[in-house]
Amino acid sequence: DTAVSQTPKYLVTQMGNDKSIKCEQNLGHDTMYWYKQDSKKFLKIMFSYNNKELIINETVPNRFSPKSPDKAHLNLHINSLELGDSAVYFCASSQDLGQRYYGYTFGSGTRLTVV
Amino acid sequence: GIQVEQSPPDLILQEGANSTLRCNFSDSVNNLQWFHQNPWGQLINLFYIPSGTKQNGRLSATTVATERYSLLYISSSQTTDSGVYFCAPSSVGETSGSRLTFGEGTQLTVNP
Repeated sequence: DTAVSQTPKYLVTQMGNDKSIKCEQNLGHDTMYWYKQDSKKFLKIMFSYNNKELIINETVPNRFSPKSPDKAHLNLHINSLELGDSAVYFCASSQDLGQRYYGYTFGSGTRLTVV
Repeated sequence: GIQVEQSPPDLILQEGANSTLRCNFSDSVNNLQWFHQNPWGQLINLFYIPSGTKQNGRLSATTVATERYSLLYISSSQTTDSGVYFCAPSSVGETSGSRLTFGEGTQLTVNP
């Protein structure tokens, strides 16, 4: 199926651990994103990569490091996890046409719980 | 950055009723998207509508860019319409049109 897929779907871990979330899209899009949704359902962009190049880097702690090995993959690594990192993390992709875009598609989300 | 305000924050309907959701934004936009987050958390792309009007089945959307608002109409609502509806524009000042700023959403509950 054509989609944005992210793994794992659920992640429960202890404070201080390091974890990664993987994302892959097979839509042929050239831009991928990470969004964070907090407990009040507020969605905020964290990072965006276009053809493996970082183009958006919001005010995110440097414990969060995205990595894009190719334009179909964007992974998120989080070091020294804190309780406040608990949230749902969404991967997304689109075809970025500069001032416009095409086909914004979200993955199903990863619910991260830090205990 | 662009400010996005959605109203109402919560809406409860009986099945079959119609509703209008509103999104006001503070800057000129070159992109605007409506999303539906279903009760299972999946974000579904409803409309890409930086201006004009579009219809898809029982849903339609209108954006009046010059007046900085967008409306989402849901007719003959069904229980499967329940969830959170997000408006997400991108302002003309953004270097990348794909940087979306999400509103806080409208939580819609449709009762049978």
